[in-house]
Amino acid sequence: AQSVTQPDIHITVSEGASLELRCNYSYGATPYLFWYVQSPGQGLQLLLKYFSGDTLVQGIKGFEAEFKRSQSSFNLRKPSVHWCDAAEYFCAVAPRNGNQFYFGTGTSLTVIP
Amino acid sequence: NAGVMQNPRHLVRRRGQEARLRCSPMKGHSHVYWYRQLPEEGLKFMVYLQKENIIDESGMPKERFSAEFPKEGPSILRIQQVVRGDSAAYFCASSPRGTGDITNTGELFFGEGSRLTVL
Repeated sequence: AQSVTQPDIHITVSEGASLELRCNYSYGATPYLFWYVQSPGQGLQLLLKYFSGDTLVQGIKGFEAEFKRSQSSFNLRKPSVHWCDAAEYFCAVAPRNGNQFYFGTGTSLTVIP
Repeated sequence: NAGVMQNPRHLVRRRGQEARLRCSPMKGHSHVYWYRQLPEEGLKFMVYLQKENIIDESGMPKERFSAEFPKEGPSILRIQQVVRGDSAAYFCASSPRGTGDITNTGELFFGEGSRLTVL
């Protein structure tokens, strides 16, 4: 069965520190991969996506993610976190021949001054 | 270009009443997805619709829940005889094309959600 795992439920980092949010997926073939961000009371906004090609993808707001096929991972990174990055982050996969987007349970990011 | 519009943003119902949630996709989008988000859980897929067709409803509960996306007007998620366990945020997302035919972005554009509280 397809699944998306975000092992970290909650992460706290200091402003200016680097960030890495983990995402692993379980699927027979490499799916499309996405990271979304959700601010409190809001809908989800796409940060970045991987379809094919270069395994390091750049997104908005200074985020990047690296696809590692051998590890079935798509971890999200940011070199220097800002207070406004505090939000819920969701990893999602979409099978290339399917109709669904599968979301992880999310990682809640707190940024401390 | 307006984004995905959902209404109402907040809805309170008593047990046994009906809840209707509406979603107007982005202009030019003909694919609509509904997701449910429970506290401290991820988004759970419910149903995927195109205009006048239900493509995939594998995530919909078998009873009390239904969805439609008519030729004219918004998509509607309908919950009959609501129970407390239906309390959640319901998100609608639209896409210009379905995931089975991704040739461009394939990304989903989300609305701000409808938060249902069942008393």
